[in-house]
Amino acid sequence: DSGVTQTPKHLITATGQRVTLRCSPRSGDLSVYWYQQSLDQGLQFLIQYYNGEERAKGNILERFSAQQFPDLHSELNLSSLELGDSALYFCASSPNPQTSGGDNEQFFGPGTRLTVL
Amino acid sequence: DQQVKQNSPSLSVQEGRISILNCDYTNSMFDYFLWYKKYPAEGPTFLISISSIKDKNEDGRFTVFLNKSAKHLSLHIVPSQPGDSAVYFCAASGRGANSKLTFGKGITLSVRP
Repeated sequence: DSGVTQTPKHLITATGQRVTLRCSPRSGDLSVYWYQQSLDQGLQFLIQYYNGEERAKGNILERFSAQQFPDLHSELNLSSLELGDSALYFCASSPNPQTSGGDNEQFFGPGTRLTVL
Repeated sequence: DQQVKQNSPSLSVQEGRISILNCDYTNSMFDYFLWYKKYPAEGPTFLISISSIKDKNEDGRFTVFLNKSAKHLSLHIVPSQPGDSAVYFCAASGRGANSKLTFGKGITLSVRP
């Protein structure tokens, strides 16, 4: 158990709909990252938040948005869903990368499997 | 452009022998390199990492070697055990605002009893 929790575990919805994925980081971790794993693209970075503020953005679609709340949990919002958005969405957390002194380990949650029909 | 490459999609080894998983990268700005193990329907689990200032890091049965001049790293598992059968991802990152992980596509390791 990594200490990172994600809900829901599975989500089935229709094209055009909007969903929200939730992530709670490990206790004490300030950074939250979102990744998408699709069959043909592997694990792709979407977005990072650090202590409530957006830190870095990857290839995240404009239809997708995220935020990190004062209690450090994060939500990923996916709207106007398309069939191609079907994927596993992972959240990961890590301590402050600049002060941890470690090797930037990120700890992953179990993922949310999104199926768009 | 794929910055982290795992060119072999699969590897099969006999229990007790050494497993060597390879990874190449193109971005010389990467500071850290990590290996993750993933079982189906689970999130990636951190295994071992290495800083760009080192050339070797060992943790039990797992050793990671880094050759910066060749932009190549490898994960050695010895002795291999059937429970090691999983997908292994190589990943790389920078620092701070560049701390996102860039993953390879993974390699499926099968350890035969």
